[in-house]
Amino acid sequence: DTGVSQNPRHKITKRGQNVTFRCDPISEHNRLYWYRQTLGQGPEFLTYFQNEAQLEKSRLLSDRFSAERPKGSFSTLEIQRTEQGDSAMYLCASSLVTGFQYNSPLHFGNGTRLTVT
Amino acid sequence: DAKTTQPPSMDCAEGRAANLPCNHSTISGNEYVYWYRQIHSQGPQYIIHGLKNNETNEMASLIITEDRKSSTLILPHATLRDTAVYYCIVSYNNDMRFGAGTRLTVKP
Repeated sequence: DTGVSQNPRHKITKRGQNVTFRCDPISEHNRLYWYRQTLGQGPEFLTYFQNEAQLEKSRLLSDRFSAERPKGSFSTLEIQRTEQGDSAMYLCASSLVTGFQYNSPLHFGNGTRLTVT
Repeated sequence: DAKTTQPPSMDCAEGRAANLPCNHSTISGNEYVYWYRQIHSQGPQYIIHGLKNNETNEMASLIITEDRKSSTLILPHATLRDTAVYYCIVSYNNDMRFGAGTRLTVKP
């Protein structure tokens, strides 16, 4: 079980720079989720994909944020023109959902911690 | 937005059972109850889930009241490694929205 892999684990960037994070889900999982977590808070939903289709985006996902999952496998989350308020842990999760089993656990990676200076 | 209410913190003695409560009075008939935990600097870890029957696995037991308005996660013999934030979530179609959770501290 290779689990969900996220890279990099840590990223420090200067305000105004662009950053990109990568998530590799569990290989047979068709759903992929992005969450953001700030200190002392629970994870906040950002967006999710079913295969390559982005099916829902939270209002937290401003126009500076874009997520892709081009071939239904790995996903990237890009933040353009970073702001200090973007400093957070960005978590990726995946799950397998079928027509008969649409409630299944999410498996999370260990996140990418972003610090914007 | 989270649809559950949990106490912000709890303590438990090592070796004793930890009973973590969760209120979800507005749960819908097709929503499941999920529990995750998060140890510092790691992603959330799935523990258990259920619809209306009680469930048990190697990690924990989940007790759901008959009216489904509340549930309890039971860690039967808590260890120091069970110190974590525990999240209770009600979910349909894998829509998981986290609240602030309960910070469980297991003490020697």
